[in-house]
Parts: sequence; C-alpha cells; structure tokens
Amino acid sequence: QVTLRESGPALVKPTQTLTLTCTFSGFSLTTSGMCVSWIRQAPGKAPEWLARIDWDDDEYYSTSLKTRLTISKDTSKNQVVLTMTNMDPVDTATYYCARRKWLDSRDYGLDVWGQGTTVTVSS
Amino acid sequence: DIQMTQSPSSLSASVGDRVTITCRASRAISSYLNWYQQKPGKAPKLLIYAASSLQSGVPSRFSGSGSGTDFTLTISSLQPEDFATYYCQQSYSTPRTFGQGTKVEIK
Repeated sequence: QVTLRESGPALVKPTQTLTLTCTFSGFSLTTSGMCVSWIRQAPGKAPEWLARIDWDDDEYYSTSLKTRLTISKDTSKNQVVLTMTNMDPVDTATYYCARRKWLDSRDYGLDVWGQGTTVTVSS
Repeated sequence: DIQMTQSPSSLSASVGDRVTITCRASRAISSYLNWYQQKPGKAPKLLIYAASSLQSGVPSRFSGSGSGTDFTLTISSLQPEDFATYYCQQSYSTPRTFGQGTKVEIK
C-alpha cells in the first residue's frame, strides 16, 4: 500500500523559510519511473503544482516560484523535502505531496496523494 | 506554461443525469491529460489518466476522451457521491498546470 504524509509548521512568519517533509512508504524513489511532486491549494482555489523530483535526481519547478523553491530527497529515509523561501501571506495554503509514475513513456498521473498540511503565513 | 481552461465553472445536475465537463489546453498536449475529483477538506483523487484510462478502483460511469487541445470528462449517470469539484491537469510538460475547476452541485 502506497502512502504519503506531509509534515511541517502550521504557522510561519512573513519572510521566513518554510520547510516541508513528505514521508512515503510502499514505493522507492530509487525505482525507475517513480517521482514525488508537491502541490499547494489556497482556500477556494485550484491546485497549483510547485515542484517534482524524479528517481534519477531530475528536479522541476514552477515557473513563477522557481527562485524560491528547492526540492530534495533522502532515499534512505523515504523522504522528499521542499523548502520555500521568503514566505508571504499569499502563500497560505494546504500543501500536498503526491506520487507520480512514469512507465514505458506513459504518465500515470498523480495517483496517490498525502492528506495535506495547512500552512498559514502571518505575523 | 500551458494554460488549462475548464468549462463550465459550475453546474447543477440531478442524480442519474449525464454530465460532461470540458477542458481545453492552450497548445497541443497529445493525450497527456489527467482528471481529478476533489471533495471538501480532502486531497484530489485521480480519476482518469492519459486522457481516457480509468484509474484502478474508479467506477466505470466515469470516462474521459480527447487529444490535442480538447478533452472531456463524462459521468454517465451522476450518483450522490459524485457531487464534488473536478480538475483537469496537463502532464505534457513542466510546469504541470491545472484547470480552474468545475463544481458539480445538486439541482
């Protein structure tokens, strides 16, 4: 059974750096085709894709946020970490991590999601 | 970035109705299109991947079609548990982008 769980602070102050951890089980990020993405969703808004890290260490970022984001993985701990610098109240959202599979040149979507962690940015 | 536009933004329907939601990409994305269902307070759930492939465990009343720039999600007979918000997402290129959502409400 594949599961993912997000963890991190519920409240951060403006200008601070946010660090979120996605801890997963049921698959390995050393397996070809496995990837973990971060997505956020502000209240009442559509999901916004933030970043992805792949089994082969490739990293991908949102165009508008790439200067503020860093994604990394620790395969021994089955964790993916996202850092976002210079937090602002507009970054208040629920942050999700999700698995993405890429097999035989086919994308299988974000097939398993964590429950999400809500982050509020306020002084 | 590829822009995804859904229509309608919301709709009202009755149990048993056939419902169709449309998603248009700002440029051709082949069949790299996924559909998700989201209920309040929950994470999105994958329904359809690669435009028309049904995710394991998803009822067969859900179907997807299309390629290039125009895509459709169809619910053949709306059930009470289907009242939710639906999002399309392109997986053709990064950054991945989502549509703005279609809220399906009870008439």
